[in-house]
Amino acid sequence: GNSVTQMEGPVTLSEEAFLTINCTYTATGYPSLFWYVQYPGEGLQLLLKATKADDKGSNKGFEATYRKETTSFHLEKGSVQVSDSAVYFCALSGSSSNTGKLIFGQGTTLQVKP
Amino acid sequence: GAGVSQTPSNKVTEKGKYVELRCDPISGHTALYWYRQSLGQGPEFLIYFQGTGAADDSGLPNDRFFAVRPEGSVSTLKIQRTERGDSAVYLCASSLTWSEGEQFFGPGTRLTVL
Repeated sequence: GNSVTQMEGPVTLSEEAFLTINCTYTATGYPSLFWYVQYPGEGLQLLLKATKADDKGSNKGFEATYRKETTSFHLEKGSVQVSDSAVYFCALSGSSSNTGKLIFGQGTTLQVKP
Repeated sequence: GAGVSQTPSNKVTEKGKYVELRCDPISGHTALYWYRQSLGQGPEFLIYFQGTGAADDSGLPNDRFFAVRPEGSVSTLKIQRTERGDSAVYLCASSLTWSEGEQFFGPGTRLTVL
């Protein structure tokens, strides 16, 4: 079945450091891929998405490119801020499913220190 | 309302009791999803409604779990004979349709079964 695997956390970085959070997936067909973020005390929010191979999703300085050849959707940011501290979830929505249900990875906690 | 709301925010119950969790989706959203998030894990899909009907309930763990959406808006997740293993955060999300628009998540209901 479809699944998502993320790098384990926590990831601890200093402010202005470069961020990469790895995400790989297993799916039949051509899923849509997402990154969701959960800030402390808040609900899940969509950060960015990509719906087909080679698409790049971007938002708030974060980027991720849909790589079908490596089944990956790694999240990157060139210069993190303390306010980026949160839990990040990679997710997919399978193309063979006419429901839009999301399958999530286990989440990666990011801590950014000033 | 501006977003998805869920009530109660916290529910503590005893093993064997019955609980109901409520979700108010964004007005006009026809697709509604329930997910369950255990500590340190990503959300897991439970059930999807398109309008009033449960189009996909493949994620419900067993027949103690049931959900309804009688008028195509508010949904209630019902858990009978609760067990300690049911303790988790139950998340509701809605979107315009299953294929259009991002899923907007509510703040969740934290269920604790003693």
